[in-house]
Amino acid sequence: QKEVEQNSGPLSVPEGAIASLNCTYSDRGSQSFFWYRQYSGKSPELIMSIYSNGDKEDGRFTAQLNKASQYVSLLIRDSQPSDSATYLCAVKLTGTYKYIFGTGTRLKVLA
Amino acid sequence: NAGVTQTPKFRILKIGQSMTLQCTQDMNHNYMYWYRQDPGMGLKLIYYSVGAGITDKGEVPNGYNVSRSTTEDFPLRLELAAPSQTSVYFCASIPDGLLSGNTIYFGEGSWLTVV
Repeated sequence: QKEVEQNSGPLSVPEGAIASLNCTYSDRGSQSFFWYRQYSGKSPELIMSIYSNGDKEDGRFTAQLNKASQYVSLLIRDSQPSDSATYLCAVKLTGTYKYIFGTGTRLKVLA
Repeated sequence: NAGVTQTPKFRILKIGQSMTLQCTQDMNHNYMYWYRQDPGMGLKLIYYSVGAGITDKGEVPNGYNVSRSTTEDFPLRLELAAPSQTSVYFCASIPDGLLSGNTIYFGEGSWLTVV
């Protein structure tokens, strides 16, 4: 089982819709979770970090964490064509300084 | 404040050649990382370091070596390059790994092709 799993997509949504991106992880003790956005040919940039169960909102982005089910999700409201990118989920492994990434989900927002 | 700087940005290597990817950061971060990203894939951790003189293996260390003689520099050495090492390499740093979470600062990437 991969440590961090994401659906590779592409996930296509119309402009203005809600995009929902999901990530599952295998390390039950992990406490730190991150969503990064990566445009083609660029380095990843941090969108959200989340450490506690529940929802965390920042503008149009909401991260959701459920440690019991070992999943973390990212909702993008009012999706814009500029949101079209690959979204990477990252997890800091328990008791280490290793940050492990999923394979990423490619999002396409259709104008 | 330049952040994380990687050189070279692009390089073509022949099979069997060796080279070093340079990474330096000017933020006095203790924790530094090397990742590789194959086309359409996520980032795979190659090696990481928690401070000068301390390095450890990540998910895919075979074929690579690292050193950390200073806080600022974390070079990645490729010995006997193979086509499977064709990838984009990202160097990254974080300010303090002891906290529950910190944003990872990435360099701009180094595109390496082995032919």
